[in-house]
Amino acid sequence: GENVEQHPSTLSVQEGDSAVIKCTYSDSASNYFPWYKQELGKGPQLIIDIRSNVGEKKDQRIAVTLNKTAKHFSLHITETQPEDSAVYFCAASRGAQKLVFGQGTRLTINP
Amino acid sequence: DTAVSQTPKYLVTQMGNDKSIKCEQNLGHDTMYWYKQDSKKFLKIMFSYNNKELIINETVPNRFSPKSPDKAHLNLHINSLELGDSAVYFCASTSGGYYGYTFGSGTRLTVV
Repeated sequence: GENVEQHPSTLSVQEGDSAVIKCTYSDSASNYFPWYKQELGKGPQLIIDIRSNVGEKKDQRIAVTLNKTAKHFSLHITETQPEDSAVYFCAASRGAQKLVFGQGTRLTINP
Repeated sequence: DTAVSQTPKYLVTQMGNDKSIKCEQNLGHDTMYWYKQDSKKFLKIMFSYNNKELIINETVPNRFSPKSPDKAHLNLHINSLELGDSAVYFCASTSGGYYGYTFGSGTRLTVV
């Protein structure tokens, strides 16, 4: 089955700097890669996703890149703000049938 | 208008008890899930139902039994609770295809 590895487990950046979180997946048949943000005491919330037929997708300060050959994908957050502090999860699946999540990255934005 | 709602939000119970967690979604989605999040924040799928039919049943002790009375509801019953069952349980739903999941706010289960 699918296995998703996520790094780093914790990340601390200065406000205004960029943050990058990386994930690798094992199943070459996976074709859907969403990213979720989980704030304290809340459920994960979808922030951006990408399909395997696209190499990059951007939404304001957030972008995701996908390298199918290397089986890795990354989340990029630019101009970080205090409200970006949260735990971020990558995930992979065939369609959206069974999302397998990475271990999570705790992102802290320092003022 | 909560899209995916779970009850209760907190559940503290003694070992050996039986408890249920309820989930309801008002998004019109066909597929619902239960995920378990452990103390290290790892999210692991437990079950999935599509239109009341069980389609995913991961390696979960048979003390856990999901039930879906209709496609808007998915409940989780746990028998003979153990200390290791302590976790946050999330319900989620999706319309399928390449659309992401919508998660509930979770039920924090503590077994003492």
